[in-house]
Amino acid sequence: RKEVEQDPGPFNVPEGATVAFNCTYSNSASQSFFWYRQDCRKEPKLLMSVYSSGNEDGRFTAQLNRASQYISLLIRDSKLSDSATYLCVVPLEGNFNKFYFGSGTKLNVKP
Amino acid sequence: GAGVSQSPRYKVTKRGQDVTLRCDPISSHATLYWYQQALGQGPEFLTYFNYEAQPDKSGLPSDRFSAERPEGSISTLTIQRTEQRDSAMYRCASSPGPGTGDYEQYFGPGTRLTVT
Repeated sequence: RKEVEQDPGPFNVPEGATVAFNCTYSNSASQSFFWYRQDCRKEPKLLMSVYSSGNEDGRFTAQLNRASQYISLLIRDSKLSDSATYLCVVPLEGNFNKFYFGSGTKLNVKP
Repeated sequence: GAGVSQSPRYKVTKRGQDVTLRCDPISSHATLYWYQQALGQGPEFLTYFNYEAQPDKSGLPSDRFSAERPEGSISTLTIQRTEQRDSAMYRCASSPGPGTGDYEQYFGPGTRLTVT
């Protein structure tokens, strides 16, 4: 089983919609998680860090479900500019220098 | 510098040749990572440095791959006797480093390697 798994999508949603992606992880001891955003042909950039049960930043909310070993990313009021691939990232437990990236979930927001 | 830079941006090489990729991290960052990213996949960890030390190179696919960071700043990734399966985007990232509590990784634009 991979360390981090994501639904590749694509998720095609209209502007203004609310969309959520899940990411499952295999190491039950993992405590911290990250969501990165990667635009087409660009480098990944940090969107959000999740160190406890969840985090909220404007239209973006990340939630952690430890019992089921998944984290979710919720995007409210989708904008065209949200179109990108969203990468779920889990550090090797106790080692914040080795990170496992999921393969990403692609989001297309349509007018 | 203002951000992470990598060179070259594109490299085409023939099978069997050696290639060296360069990464120039953010100047204040102690930690530097190398990743390999295949099309449609997330970055896959290769190795990392804290300053000039290389504590983990477990992700390097074979002994044809090696990385250096001799002065704790610029790093190079060398692939010897390249094979077609080495074709990928190679990304470098840096972060402030151990003890800062800041784990955000700042990625460079990558080097697209094509082995023909």
